[in-house]
Amino acid sequence: EVQLVESGGALEQPGGSLRLSCAASGFTFSSYEMSWVRQAPGKGLEWVSYISSSGRNTFYADSVKGRFTISRDNAKNSLFLQMKSLRAEDTAVYYCARVETTFMDVWGKGTTVTVSS
Amino acid sequence: QSVLTQPPSVSGAPGQRVTISCTGSSSNIGAGFAVHWYQQLPGAAPKLLISANSDRPSGVPDRFSGSKSGTSASLAITGLQAEDEADYYCQSFDSSRNWVFGGGTKLTVL
Repeated sequence: EVQLVESGGALEQPGGSLRLSCAASGFTFSSYEMSWVRQAPGKGLEWVSYISSSGRNTFYADSVKGRFTISRDNAKNSLFLQMKSLRAEDTAVYYCARVETTFMDVWGKGTTVTVSS
Repeated sequence: QSVLTQPPSVSGAPGQRVTISCTGSSSNIGAGFAVHWYQQLPGAAPKLLISANSDRPSGVPDRFSGSKSGTSASLAITGLQAEDEADYYCQSFDSSRNWVFGGGTKLTVL
């Protein structure tokens, strides 16, 4: 079964850091591009970041550029999102998603990040 | 404010047909990028519903269909059922190399 399982979400203070992880199974992880998408409480979906299958190419939404870093470990079938200088507006459920051309065909259940003092 | 514009809500009675619009611009939908649709049931993660404007992934009922024209796209749901009550999001790609979403449409089955 194709599956993505996120972890690492927590309550963090403004200005703090968190590292999210996404464990992939049921497919050849190294062959797929991946993305992170977030959803603030009661709000819509917002694309956060993308990484190519090799990890060589990465893109970020303007709202997180310079603060978030996406990476992957193909040997461990894992995707990561390092988040620094967290702000209240980063509070959201963060979803890991498998990318197929220009859409996301598999989603995890999400992990919750709360930024508050 | 989302790059793609959707109506905040639509509603319909069981058995009826509803449509959800998604309006973009010349830098995304109008530039030729495909439109995709996701269904998010209450409390759940988004699920791919329609890809590449009108393709249904395996397991998606043929009551769901998508179309695209110019800078807009539409999702149509026929034979509305109670289990279709959910949030629906359109998504495309922007020439600035961003994935862009609509603000979402809440479908209420009356």
